Amino acid sequence: EVQLVESGGVVVQPGGSLRLSCAASGFTFDDYTMHWVRQAPGKGLEWVSLISWDGGSTYYADSVKGRFTISRDNSKNSLYLQMNSLRTEDTALYYCAKGSPYGGNTDWGQGTLVTVSS
Amino acid sequence: QSALTQPASVSGSPGQSITISCTGTSSDVGGYNYVSWYQQHPGKAPKLMIYDVSNRPSGVSNRFSGSKSGNTASLTISGLQAEDEADYYCSSYTSSSTAVFGGGTKLTVL
Repeated sequence: EVQLVESGGVVVQPGGSLRLSCAASGFTFDDYTMHWVRQAPGKGLEWVSLISWDGGSTYYADSVKGRFTISRDNSKNSLYLQMNSLRTEDTALYYCAKGSPYGGNTDWGQGTLVTVSS
Repeated sequence: QSALTQPASVSGSPGQSITISCTGTSSDVGGYNYVSWYQQHPGKAPKLMIYDVSNRPSGVSNRFSGSKSGNTASLTISGLQAEDEADYYCSSYTSSSTAVFGGGTKLTVL
């Protein structure tokens, strides 16, 4: 059974930094592209970033480009999102998802909540 | 990276069919056969219902179907059931090798 477990969400002040983690199990992690998707409270889904199976290709939404960095450690079956220069509008539930370079994310975690507030 | 356009809400009675539209541009929906649809119940993670425009993952009911014409993709749910009441999101691959979601559609089963 595929399991994706996000962690690292906390309350942080504007301008602060945070690192989210996603622990994967139940599938061959390094066979898959992985995504981060977020959802602000009461709002819709927003795609954040993706990383190729080997970490060689990364892409970002314009809203986070230059502030967030996606990475992975295939030896640990783990996905990460380093978030810097956080803004109040980054407040959201952050999901990691298993997918392909083209979307079609078949499995999602339960999310970790990031709150950016002073 | 503008969000894809979906109707805010749709409704239907049990047993009826409904269609949710998802309009983008030639740089996303219209340019690639990589449109996905997700169902999200309150407080739950999204669930993939359709990928690559019209393909259903294993375990998804054949009452769910997808199609595309030009820059607009559509999700059709036939034989509406109470448990179909949820939020639905479309998503597309883009020419920048990124992804973009629609704003979401709330489906109410009357």
